Amino acid sequence: QVQLQESGPGLVKPSETLSLTCSVSSGSISSYYWSWIRQPQGKGLEWIGYIFYGGNTNYNPSLKSRISISMDTSKNQFSLALNSVTAADTAVYYCARFLLGDAFDSWGQGAPVTVSS
Amino acid sequence: EIVMTQSPATLSVSPGERATLSCRASQGVSSHLAWYQQKPGQAPRLLIYGASTRANGIPARFSGRGSGTEFTLTISSLQSEDFAVYYCQHYDRWPYTFGLGTKLEIK
Repeated sequence: QVQLQESGPGLVKPSETLSLTCSVSSGSISSYYWSWIRQPQGKGLEWIGYIFYGGNTNYNPSLKSRISISMDTSKNQFSLALNSVTAADTAVYYCARFLLGDAFDSWGQGAPVTVSS
Repeated sequence: EIVMTQSPATLSVSPGERATLSCRASQGVSSHLAWYQQKPGQAPRLLIYGASTRANGIPARFSGRGSGTEFTLTISSLQSEDFAVYYCQHYDRWPYTFGLGTKLEIK
């Protein structure tokens, strides 16, 4: 069964770049789509963007100007970069797997990120 | 983008009873609708996809219905482990969006 694990700094300063990596184990990264989703404390879920093997990406229009998602197939990892962060970007960030036209069937445990000076 | 509205925000039900949660889409999403369960400190877990198909390992007491804009999730006989927050999510077109959730609490 595939396992996803997020990693990265838990504290980011305002105006800097939030960087997270999702490591995928027990499964190939080339066969599925991979997404980032976030959840502010006590609030709902927001889809951030996705990447597919080969570099095809799609981003939430509300964040499109600030985000980049990339993939390293040699390490079975994909990454999120969110620049110019503010306190509003404080959230738990999840990575998740899906097939196009389907639901998110596997999730990482989540990485809490706080934006504060 | 499509707005997903869940009701009620909080539902109080006794163990062993039935719970029905609702989700409405602002535009038709066919059967491209999923339900997730989230417990405190945990990631969401996929329960239902295709509006009515249970994900792997999900007990038969969970059932989903609906298509277009109106959907329901029913838990037929609540167990202690079912008290959690439930989210619906459409995957009909980008951006995929989630509802704000229904908190199912013990009465």
